[in-house]
Amino acid sequence: GAGVSQSPSNKVTEKGKDVELRCDPISGHTALYWYRQSLGQGLEFLIYFQGNSAPDKSGLPSDRFSAERTGGSVSTLTIQRTQQEDSAVYLCASSQTGGGYGYTFGSGTRLTVV
Amino acid sequence: AQSVTQLGSHVSVSEGALVLLRCNYSSSVPPYLFWYVQYPNQGLQLLLKYTSAATLVKGINGFEAEFKKSETSFHLTKPSAHMSDAAEYFCAVNAGGTSYGKLTFGQGTILTVHP
Repeated sequence: GAGVSQSPSNKVTEKGKDVELRCDPISGHTALYWYRQSLGQGLEFLIYFQGNSAPDKSGLPSDRFSAERTGGSVSTLTIQRTQQEDSAVYLCASSQTGGGYGYTFGSGTRLTVV
Repeated sequence: AQSVTQLGSHVSVSEGALVLLRCNYSSSVPPYLFWYVQYPNQGLQLLLKYTSAATLVKGINGFEAEFKKSETSFHLTKPSAHMSDAAEYFCAVNAGGTSYGKLTFGQGTILTVHP
């Protein structure tokens, strides 16, 4: 596609439920990043994919968070047993190469846990 | 490890005045540096980047930034502010080189432009 597409744009969920956030990177981009943007923490790195592999998942805050990427394209970030502190905007970005020269962000998914 | 400090969480200027947003970084290796802009309810848009070529970098919308190694700074400037420049601006550092773009962001600076 023309840009990085994220869905849904907004998600409200009850505490304890699982949620899936989707990212469609720009076609042909091999690198894919997930970040979280929250009021208290600013922008935090979560995980990096190169193709379908995740060489760096050091930013995932707990084992409730997981992510996968299939076909070198779409990525899904899953949060199990959501907590109120998971409320944030989740941003995805992609790049043609490793991303060292910067990358293109999607508009994000605003997650609210009530 | 790398870090980024943006001085001033809020900056207010008049339309037509100089914009100066400050960014200082810490990195154990030669860094790549970025400025991103975020408009309300949107993702981050790349304004400009320094990747070890020219130290004065020009970006979109009339913004520029100068990499000063001795001061470990990468301040963002624009000679004349426009109302449309009102947004939040993030400075970021990548110490992974060309092959890996994990970014460490500053806390952001909200720019307000008064008529």
